[in-house]
Amino acid sequence: KQEVTQIPAALSVPEGENLVLNCSFTDSAIYNLQWFRQDPGKGLTSLLLIQSSQREQTSGRLNASLDKSSGRSTLYIAASQPGDSATYLCAVQGSNDMRFGAGTRLTVKP
Amino acid sequence: EAQVTQNPRYLITVTGKKLTVTCSQNMNHEYMSWYRQDPGLGLRQIYYSMNVEVTDKGDVPEGYKVSRKEKRNFPLILESPSPNQTSLYFCASSREGVSAAFFGQGTRLTVV
Repeated sequence: KQEVTQIPAALSVPEGENLVLNCSFTDSAIYNLQWFRQDPGKGLTSLLLIQSSQREQTSGRLNASLDKSSGRSTLYIAASQPGDSATYLCAVQGSNDMRFGAGTRLTVKP
Repeated sequence: EAQVTQNPRYLITVTGKKLTVTCSQNMNHEYMSWYRQDPGLGLRQIYYSMNVEVTDKGDVPEGYKVSRKEKRNFPLILESPSPNQTSLYFCASSREGVSAAFFGQGTRLTVV
């Protein structure tokens, strides 16, 4: 059974810092990996999707990488802003299901 | 606008009173699924559907039912809700089971 772990569970940084969120998974037989953002009490917003054949995806200040063989993905956020404060979830897509990590709660202080 | 719509957004009900949470998507997606999100447990899949009339259990299906009579709709049914089903529920859809997933805004259910 696929297990997805996110480290750290919480992170607090001053505005302007670059930061990295980590996601690891136990079964490398995945179709894709998706990073989501969730604001308190709200739904999930898709940030980046990396197909299993890809190594990275970029969108604005966000860059996600995937190393399928080692079961790892990172989400890099450049020049963080207070508006980036949210919980970030990674999700691994298998043949029938999507499994989520518990998330990293990010706080960016002005 | 492409979206997944859940209703209601908030619901308080009593133990044993049947309820249905609706989910509808306008993207002609084949794959739809339901999740519940609980503090400390993250998101867990309840049921999923690969296409019309095809549904299967996820990790936590006990106490729930689903149906997929039309491609766009995937309602979640709680025949006899119990307090341990108090949770935040999300519906999701994707073009195929392996494509990018789109999520609804969530339904916060409280069973007293």
